Amino acid sequence: TQLLEQSPQFLSIQEGENLTVYCNSSSVFSSLQWYRQEPGEGPVLLVTVVTGGEVKKLKRLTFQFGDARKDSSLHITAAQPGDTGLYLCAISGGGADGLTFGKGTHLIIQP
Amino acid sequence: GAVVSQHPSWVICKSGTSVKIECRSLDFQATTMFWYRQFPKQSLMLMATSNEGSKATYEQGVEKDKFLINHASLTLSTLTVTSAHPEDSSFYICSARGTSGSANTGELFFGEGSRLTVL
Repeated sequence: TQLLEQSPQFLSIQEGENLTVYCNSSSVFSSLQWYRQEPGEGPVLLVTVVTGGEVKKLKRLTFQFGDARKDSSLHITAAQPGDTGLYLCAISGGGADGLTFGKGTHLIIQP
Repeated sequence: GAVVSQHPSWVICKSGTSVKIECRSLDFQATTMFWYRQFPKQSLMLMATSNEGSKATYEQGVEKDKFLINHASLTLSTLTVTSAHPEDSSFYICSARGTSGSANTGELFFGEGSRLTVL
């Protein structure tokens, strides 16, 4: 059973449209991270959410942590081709544990 | 922000040979480093946890004798793929957790990745 479920798995939209990516689980997390990865590169941290109900904004990206800390969403406003990439949510197992990643959302923004 | 560097960025080798990939934390000390593997169009899968001065901890299903990990200093971990086969071809990514600051919220810093192609 996948600990983190991401949806959609693939998304291709036109430049200027809005989109939302979801990360869900049946478990409660102390924190959750969102990463963006471009082909041939390592993932880059976008944001960490810690508090239930928390909303963080990063330019056109809005991240929300569910009230129960079981889910999170990433909303992109007026998507641009530069937003193309693999978006991954991840949680830490605590202590020295490495991150567990969701399967990711492959996002393509067409000009 | 913290920088983690991997070398080489890509490597092509013949089946049966061994390949070493280095992961360095450039501006901070990393007591713990992690190695991930990523196949095309898939997510990152944790292979092992590398601890400075002690043996690595491997995830279930990862062969420790095939993927040798050494973390001899606070800034360097190496992954050696021994007797590589075509099915080992993948994108290998390391990440490092600092001794303070970044470790508090579970944030890790990732290397650029190393693409291994075994012919």
